Amino acid sequence: GIQVEQSPPDLILQEGANSTLRCNFSDSVNNLQWFHQNPWGQLINLFYIPSGTKQNGRLSATTVATERYSLLYISSSQTTDSGVYFCAVGLTGGGNKLTFGTGTQLKVEL
Amino acid sequence: GAVVSQHPSWVICKSGTSVKIECRSLDFQATTMFWYRQFPKQSLMLMATSNEGSKATYEQGVEKDKFLINHASLTLSTLTVTSAHPEDSSFYICSARPSAKNIQYFGAGTRLSVL
Repeated sequence: GIQVEQSPPDLILQEGANSTLRCNFSDSVNNLQWFHQNPWGQLINLFYIPSGTKQNGRLSATTVATERYSLLYISSSQTTDSGVYFCAVGLTGGGNKLTFGTGTQLKVEL
Repeated sequence: GAVVSQHPSWVICKSGTSVKIECRSLDFQATTMFWYRQFPKQSLMLMATSNEGSKATYEQGVEKDKFLINHASLTLSTLTVTSAHPEDSSFYICSARPSAKNIQYFGAGTRLSVL
């Protein structure tokens, strides 16, 4: 099946710092979503971005589908950004199923 | 918009009993709903895909007789963990996909503890 690897696995930032999270996938996809899982387990939709670039406030994402990777940028990080960030991809012809990446655990400190 | 409600958020049960978890799309119709399981410090693993009015499709290694899924309407899917055992303790999360959209929206999850 499709492999979805995220890096780095763990990241500690000082408040106000910027960061880039990466998602590599092994096959052609027609769906890519970024999520933030908060400490209570809720998955919050950040972006639906199978290709191109999007921005939402301090967050932005870029997917280069031909090179099979996506990047999530967090600028001016805040303590509330802490949690686990997942990318999830849907395989082209895969029937709308999502395969989740390995996740990046982010901790933002004061 | 695109709110998915999951209930209960937390359940403790005795070994051998059954537990039902509900997943509702509150402001949209969902032709397809999905059920995931997440163990501590791990990623989400898809258990099954639930289509309204038809039998669920289970992923390899998931026991369909143990994890019963019913998707009786365009806004409700249920997962029943039958004869639960301690190894079934986990975080179960549902998602729903609006008709004609390729985005999944997630419920808040259910923490199941089997004693």
